[in-house]
Amino acid sequence: DGGITQSPKYLFRKEGQNVTLSCEQNLNHDAMYWYRQDPGQGLRLIYYSQIVNDFQKGDIAEGYSVSREKKESFPLTVTSAQKNPTAFYLCASSPEGLAGEETQYFGPGTRLLVL
Amino acid sequence: AQTVTQSQPEMSVQEAETVTLSCTYDTSESDYYLFWYKQPPSRQMILVIRQEAYKQQNATENRFSVNFQKAAKSFSLKISDSQLGDAAMYFCAYRSPYNNDMRFGAGTRLTVKP
Repeated sequence: DGGITQSPKYLFRKEGQNVTLSCEQNLNHDAMYWYRQDPGQGLRLIYYSQIVNDFQKGDIAEGYSVSREKKESFPLTVTSAQKNPTAFYLCASSPEGLAGEETQYFGPGTRLLVL
Repeated sequence: AQTVTQSQPEMSVQEAETVTLSCTYDTSESDYYLFWYKQPPSRQMILVIRQEAYKQQNATENRFSVNFQKAAKSFSLKISDSQLGDAAMYFCAYRSPYNNDMRFGAGTRLTVKP
């Protein structure tokens, strides 16, 4: 089955700890995205990547880092510099890296909680 | 930057009835794409329907249809014959054709009463 997987479903972070959220897709999509969702709010873009080895900051990139070494994978690291990381994180992908009418398809999300 | 506004934080509808969710947006672009996504309790974001701004015809997907008013910058979603499974958060989204920027509204929580 083609789709986007995210792991883990729940993640707990201790103060000062870096944690990495996994996002994998087998849709052969070029572009991938990370969003953050807080209660009562819509999604906000953290980072996106149009092609392998390239990525761009979104609106709220501070305290986060990403890599794109493979087309299928776009992991997100929440660093200790992110002071309020508790949120729901959604990964998405779209068929082409170029701007156009591409629809974004989403993974099931990861809930990050701070201990 | 473009903004998307959903003025109805919560809506409810009786099963089998019709409900309309509102969405307005602000942009200076003439070409763009609009989407409605559904987020059920599982929190998976599911595409409901999409509209290209250059198309005058309103998009339709089974029981879901939109009323796209480009001059008014309005993009409402109509759900006909509402079902219990339609209960979810619904997000309106705007996508520029010039970059990868997708903007989401704050969402409308839809409750379906049996």
